[in-house]
Amino acid sequence: GQQLNQSPQSMFIQEGEDVSMNCTSSSIFNTWLWYKQDPGEGPVLLIALYKAGELTSNGRLTAQFGITRKDSFLNISASIPSDVGIYFCAGMNYGGSQGNLIFGKGTKLSVKP
Amino acid sequence: DSGVTQTPKHLITATGQRVTLRCSPRSGDLSVYWYQQSLDQGLQFLIQYYNGEERAKGNILERFSAQQFPDLHSELNLSSLELGDSALYFCASSTLAGGNLGEQFFGPGTRLTVL
Repeated sequence: GQQLNQSPQSMFIQEGEDVSMNCTSSSIFNTWLWYKQDPGEGPVLLIALYKAGELTSNGRLTAQFGITRKDSFLNISASIPSDVGIYFCAGMNYGGSQGNLIFGKGTKLSVKP
Repeated sequence: DSGVTQTPKHLITATGQRVTLRCSPRSGDLSVYWYQQSLDQGLQFLIQYYNGEERAKGNILERFSAQQFPDLHSELNLSSLELGDSALYFCASSTLAGGNLGEQFFGPGTRLTVL
C-alpha cells in the first residue's frame, strides 16, 4: 500500500532555532496534512494543504504542498519548549465521500531551553 | 479540545475477550474514522463510516468490526483479543463538506491493554 517517508525521525534542538521536516511519497496525494501529537493525546491538526505548490502558515508554522504532489514539508520558526512533541505528516486522496489518511512515522522534536 | 469524544480512556482486558470502544464525532460531522496506533506500525487507518454507511476499509482485521448509529456515534468492536491488539485506538471525524474536505479531528483515544 501507500507509504510515507518522513524525516528526520527525531530532532534535538536549542530553543529559538528553526526546524524543518519533510515527507515524501511514492504516489501522489490531493491533500497533505500536518499533525502534532503530545504523549497520551490524540493528534492535533496544525495545517491542511489542498493545492500543489500551496504554501500555508499557521503562526510560526509554515507548510508547503510539493509541486509534484508527492511531498510536503513543515517548518517551525523560533522554536519554543511547548513545540516538543511528535509531528506527523498525512496524505489523503479524497473522493466520493471516501477519505482516509496515510500517516508518516513521525518526527519527534525535543527542544532544549 | 477537538470536540470528538471517546470512551473509555483506558481498557485492560485478557486475551480472547471482546471489547467495545465508543466515539462521538464533532457536532455536525457525518464521517467517522477509526485508527490504530502501535509503536511498531504507527498510525494505521482501520475503517470509515459516513452517515451510517461504511465508506472505506483499511487494514482492519476480521476480528474487528464497527458501526455508526443514527445519532452518528460509532462503536469499534474488537473480539478474540490477542496480545498484539494492545494499542491506542483513535476516532476522528470530519464534515466531508465545503472546502475543508481533508480535515480530520481526532479524539483523545482509548488505550487498550491485552494481558
